Formats: sequence, C-alpha cells, structure tokens
Amino acid sequence: DVVMTQTPVSLSVSLGGQTSISCRSSQSLVHSDGNTYLYWYLQKPGQSPQLLIYKVSNRFSGVPDRFSGSGSGTDFTLKISRVEPEDLGVYYCYQGTHYPNTFGAGTKLELK
Amino acid sequence: QVQLQQSGAELAKPGSSVKISCKASGYTFTSYYISWIKQTTGQGLEYIGYINTGSGGTNYNEKFKGKATLTVDKSSSTAFMQLSSLTPDDSAVYYCARSRILDYWGQGVMVTVSS
Repeated sequence: DVVMTQTPVSLSVSLGGQTSISCRSSQSLVHSDGNTYLYWYLQKPGQSPQLLIYKVSNRFSGVPDRFSGSGSGTDFTLKISRVEPEDLGVYYCYQGTHYPNTFGAGTKLELK
Repeated sequence: QVQLQQSGAELAKPGSSVKISCKASGYTFTSYYISWIKQTTGQGLEYIGYINTGSGGTNYNEKFKGKATLTVDKSSSTAFMQLSSLTPDDSAVYYCARSRILDYWGQGVMVTVSS
C-alpha cells in the first residue's frame, strides 16, 4: 500500500498567520490517466472530515481561497493563510491513485 | 444539498455482526459510488472499500475482505456495510462517503465491540 507521510504531526499558529503542511507519498501519485489524485481534508473537533482540496490544487465548493494546495509526484503541500478559528482541527492528505486508497496520519492545527 | 445520513451507534458482542446504513439524499444516488472508511485513534483513517451503487459491484481493501460486506438498496438510496465476526479491534467510527473522492461524508457510526 502507498504510505502517506504527513509532517509535522502538530502545528501551533496565531490567528491571522500562515502555515503549511507537507505530505509525501511512498510512490508517485501520477495516475496512468495523467491525473494526480491527491486530496486534503479537515476534520474539525467532533465532526466528520470535510474535503478542502481535490487533485492537488483545486478548492472544493465553498472552500475559501485562504487554502491552497500544490505539489507533484510524491511531494505535496497544503498552505493556509490568514488562519481563522474555524480552521483548527486535524488535516489529512489522501491518495486515490493507487488501490487501496490511503490516508496520511494527520496534522493537528492548534492556536498559539 | 447532498447529505449522507448514517444509522446510530452500535454496541456488539465479540463474534457477532452489525449492519450499518448510509442513506443518501440531494443527488442521484446511482451516479456516485459510496466508499466506507474506518477511523480509530491508533490506526487513523483506513479505506475499507467502495460499492458501485448502480451495479452493486464492490471493491474491497484486501485488509477488510471477509470482515466487511457492502450492499446497496437503490430503491431507498441506501448503502449498507455489514461487519462480521466482530472483535475488539473492530471498535471504531465508521464513515460512508460519496465516491472515491470522498466529497461528502456521513456523520459516522461508532461501533463498540465488548463482552
């Protein structure tokens, strides 16, 4: 199975600040169809995960432009700018290129 | 709006089975697969498998073959997952989500396996 390694495990950020989360995969996530099926989710306390970014860099419906995704191959980054209280929780990367699909272990974003 | 409404929490004894449901609304049910995900504190998020809601075809993560059985009832826009031969390791929150993109999630079902 593809191993998704997220760093750091936790982050402290000030409101209004900027931060980034890294996700590395043990294999290239470029599919034979040319797409890269790398996604980012946020799980707020007591809630289900919610989709933020799909296929590396596309914001899902309703996701503010403070969130941006980038990367290619095996290295991916989620950047969050102008952090707001609603951004706190655990962020997960997820790959859908290789079956079974797999998740990173999560990065917990907390307030400084 | 797209919604996935899951059934309630389950308390089950070791060796028994549970069947949890995921009722979809707000979109054409048979146009999207339903995926199932397991979440535990120790193992994090694990992808169990998916069901083609139109054909009923399934694809399981090898790890969950023999443990999970995915079915669907198109008439009620509901997907089901049965977990069999339960052990304490099956205690977890189980989510359904739309498609393999997991763009919408159910609220989760906590399954507790205890004697």
